[in-house]
Amino acid sequence: EAQVTQNPRYLITVTGKKLTVTCSQNMNHEYMSWYRQDPGLGLRQIYYSMNVEVTDKGDVPEGYKVSRKEKRNFPLILESPSPNQTSLYFCASRPGTAAYSNQPQHFGDGTRLSIL
Amino acid sequence: DAKTTQPPSMDCAEGRAANLPCNHSTISGNEYVYWYRQIHSQGPQYIIHGLKNNETNEMASLIITEDRKSSTLILPHATLRDTAVYYCIVRHFLAAGNKLTFGGGTRVLVKP
Repeated sequence: EAQVTQNPRYLITVTGKKLTVTCSQNMNHEYMSWYRQDPGLGLRQIYYSMNVEVTDKGDVPEGYKVSRKEKRNFPLILESPSPNQTSLYFCASRPGTAAYSNQPQHFGDGTRLSIL
Repeated sequence: DAKTTQPPSMDCAEGRAANLPCNHSTISGNEYVYWYRQIHSQGPQYIIHGLKNNETNEMASLIITEDRKSSTLILPHATLRDTAVYYCIVRHFLAAGNKLTFGGGTRVLVKP
C-alpha cells in the first residue's frame, strides 16, 4: 500500500531533550515536506526537500533541522525542543523532481508532540 | 496564492450528494484548485484537483465555473465516514516550496 509513515505517532518529552521524528514514503517520491498544525493557524510548512541532499526552509524553520540522505526518508530533528514546538506534525510527499509541480501531496497520519 | 472562502460548516444526509462550494474570485490563470479533507486530526487526505476543466475520480467530482472564480466539490453518495473538515486550496504551480496553504475549511457532518 502506498503510504507516508511517521514515527512516533505520539510523544511527550521535556524541554531540551533532542528528538527525531521519522518520515518514510514507499512511493519513490522525490519531493517531501514537513508541516506543523496549530489551532487557528492551519498548516505551516517547516522544511521541504526537492530530492536527495536538497533541502530548503519553509515558513517556520526555526528550531528544526532536517536531512535527506535517502529518497524514502526525511527525518525532522528538534535539537533542543521547547514548549512552543508542541504541535501536530505532518510529513508529505509528491512525485516529480521539477521545482514547480501541480502534483498533489500525500500526507502521513501525523505525530503529536508535547514538550513540557 | 489566491484566497478561498468556504462556508464554515454544513450538514448532509447519508446517501445523498454533498455539494461543497468554494469561492476563489481572485484566482489567476496558473493557479490550480485542490481539495483535501481531514478527519479528526488525521493527515490531510487528497481528494481531487483541477485547473479549468471539470474533474472526476473515484472519490468525488470537481466542478469549476467557466470564469474559474468558484468551484464545487461533489461527494456523490455521502457516507458517515465522509464526516470531516474539507479544505479548498488554490495554489500556483510556481508556489515557493510547493507548500499548501490550508484555510479554515468546511466542517461537514454526515447524518444518518
